[in-house]
Amino acid sequence: EDQVTQSPEALRLQEGESSSLNCSYTVSGLRGLFWYRQDPGKGPEFLFTLYSAGEEKEKERLKATLTKKESFLHITAPKPEDSATYLCAVIISSGSARQLTFGSGTQLTVLP
Amino acid sequence: ETGVTQSPTHLIKTRGQQVTLRCSSQSGHNTVSWYQQALGQGPQFIFQYYREEENGRGNFPPRFSGLQFPNYSSELNVNALELDDSALYLCASSRSGVAYEQYFGPGTRLTVT
Repeated sequence: EDQVTQSPEALRLQEGESSSLNCSYTVSGLRGLFWYRQDPGKGPEFLFTLYSAGEEKEKERLKATLTKKESFLHITAPKPEDSATYLCAVIISSGSARQLTFGSGTQLTVLP
Repeated sequence: ETGVTQSPTHLIKTRGQQVTLRCSSQSGHNTVSWYQQALGQGPQFIFQYYREEENGRGNFPPRFSGLQFPNYSSELNVNALELDDSALYLCASSRSGVAYEQYFGPGTRLTVT
């Protein structure tokens, strides 16, 4: 069964304190791994897509990496505005549909 | 470029009633997916529409149904509402083909009492 597990469930950082979020996955035939940011009561905001092991993507203070079993979202020198829930998802094929299977997310709080 | 929009923003219904949620896809996107997100959980796939037909469905009962229109907008209908249907309902649009990125709307918060 395809599974996505994120850790930790919650993370509190001081402003400027770098850290990493983990997303481990078990899927038969990865077609893409996605990172989203979600603010309370809002829809997920697309951040990155990674397709193959060794791939890396960067955006401002965020960097996503991918191995054959997991992905990391590295946050360098975070600011309070980076506080949000970060969701990881994998694409699986269900018939001809491309559905996202999500983890439960990591709730990040950055303290000033 | 217009993003994904959803209506209404919030909705309160009584158990047993029926509800219709609406979604307009992002400009240039022809595929719409619907997700249900319970509090503290990741979104769960309900179904996907492409060319006005359902082409994939998650583990949801038949009382969850949908439509896609020629302009690629979509509706999610839920009959015989249950208390557990209370959630944030998210619509996501994408292009068909290799680029699988799905872009989400702001969601509709449904409360069933």
